[in-house]
Amino acid sequence: AQKVTQAQTEISVVEKEDVTLDCVYETRDTTYYLFWYKQPPSGELVFLIRRNSFDEQNEISGRYSWNFQKSTSSFNFTITASQVVDSAVYFCALSATFNTDKLIFGTGTRLQVFP
Amino acid sequence: KAGVTQTPRYLIKTRGQQVTLSCSPISGHRSVSWYQQTPGQGLQFLFEYFSETQRNKGNFPGRFSGRQFSNSRSEMNVSTLELGDSALYLCASSLVGRGTTEAFFGQGTRLTVV
Repeated sequence: AQKVTQAQTEISVVEKEDVTLDCVYETRDTTYYLFWYKQPPSGELVFLIRRNSFDEQNEISGRYSWNFQKSTSSFNFTITASQVVDSAVYFCALSATFNTDKLIFGTGTRLQVFP
Repeated sequence: KAGVTQTPRYLIKTRGQQVTLSCSPISGHRSVSWYQQTPGQGLQFLFEYFSETQRNKGNFPGRFSGRQFSNSRSEMNVSTLELGDSALYLCASSLVGRGTTEAFFGQGTRLTVV
C-alpha cells in the first residue's frame, strides 16, 4: 500500500524562527517520486520540489531545504527564518506508479507564522 | 505563460442536479489530472487523462466522469449531486504525465451542493 503521513496537523511559529515539517511515506516500489506543495488561502497547489527515489542528496533553495532519508522513509521540509508569507498548508505527496501523474497526498500541515 | 485555468471558480448546485467543471492546461501539456479536496478526506485523486485517454481512475462512484479533448482541455462531470460532493475540485497538468515532471495546479472550482 502507498501512504503519506504528515503527523503535524498545525504548527505555529513566530517570524524568523526555523520550522521543520515532517513527512513519512510508505511504498513497495523501488522507483518513486516525492513532492512538496504549498497551498495558500487562494486554493491552488504551488509546486515546491520533486525528488526521485534514487537521489538522496539534500536540497536547498533559498530559505527552503529538504532532507530525504530512504532509511527512515522520510522527506522532511525545513523553512529557515520563517516569514508571515510562509503561512499556508503544506502537502507532501508520493507518485509511485510508472507512467502516471497520480499523486497520493498526506493530510497536510497548516503553518501559521506570526509577526 | 498562462497557468492552469479552471472554470467556474465557484458553483452552487442543488442535490440531484449535475455539474460540469472545466480545466484548461498549460499550453503544451498533454496530461490532466483531477483531485477532490474536502476537510474530511483531504486530497483524493479522481482521474487522469493523457492524449484523450483515461489512464487512471481513483476510487469514486460512477457519478464522477471526465473527458479530455484533442486540445488537452478537460472536463469533469458529476451527476446526481449529493451533499457530500461539496468540495474544492483541483485540476493539474503536466507535460508528459509520467510523474517525471512536476504537475501544476489550477486554483480550483469550489462546488457547494445544497
